[in-house]
Amino acid sequence: DAKTTQPNSMESNEEEPVHLPCNHSTISGTDYIHWYRQLPSQGPEYVIHGLTSNVNNRMASLAIAEDRKSSTLILHRATLRDAAVYYCILGYNQGGKLIFGQGTELSVKP
Amino acid sequence: EAGVTQFPSHSVIEKGQTVTLRCDPISGHDNLYWYRRVMGKEIKFLLHFVKESKQDESGMPNNRFLAERTGGTYSTLKVQPAELEDSGVYFCASSQDFARSQYFGPGTRLTVT
Repeated sequence: DAKTTQPNSMESNEEEPVHLPCNHSTISGTDYIHWYRQLPSQGPEYVIHGLTSNVNNRMASLAIAEDRKSSTLILHRATLRDAAVYYCILGYNQGGKLIFGQGTELSVKP
Repeated sequence: EAGVTQFPSHSVIEKGQTVTLRCDPISGHDNLYWYRRVMGKEIKFLLHFVKESKQDESGMPNNRFLAERTGGTYSTLKVQPAELEDSGVYFCASSQDFARSQYFGPGTRLTVT
């Protein structure tokens, strides 16, 4: 299973942008890059995913390196409600199962 | 549209007893997944249904765990007999197809004493 590496924790100030990095040097050509997050006492929540090109949605942006060995999740303006554990996951060439790592615990200061 | 629901939200049982967890996926989602997080560990995949068929059950820890999805709608996960190490949070997720994003339920917290 292809692995991802993320910092254990990051801090941000409210209303400021946040860049959450993820390394995935063993990514295969068919692996999509997914980001999920888990708010306290809730199930994981889909954030965004991409294959090669940068992606934007209402929640966040995903910047993918040209060699696809790393990616960055960008929250444009962090709010207190964005405090969560963010997971960078490679899939779906494995039939759909998600392989969670430790994730990055993001704290947001007012 | 209702999200993924799980029942119960919390279950406390004694070692050796049986517990059945239920998951109702989003209507129309053929793919249903079970995951769990045991204390201090990462969220781990258990198994994947496509309609009523088990597509991948490589994550099931042992034969004390039995998952079913009769009729391709809701799913149950039975643990019999429960052991202390089964304590944790069990999540269910569903998706329209395996390449789409998964929607997770709130989880069932299982405590085995």
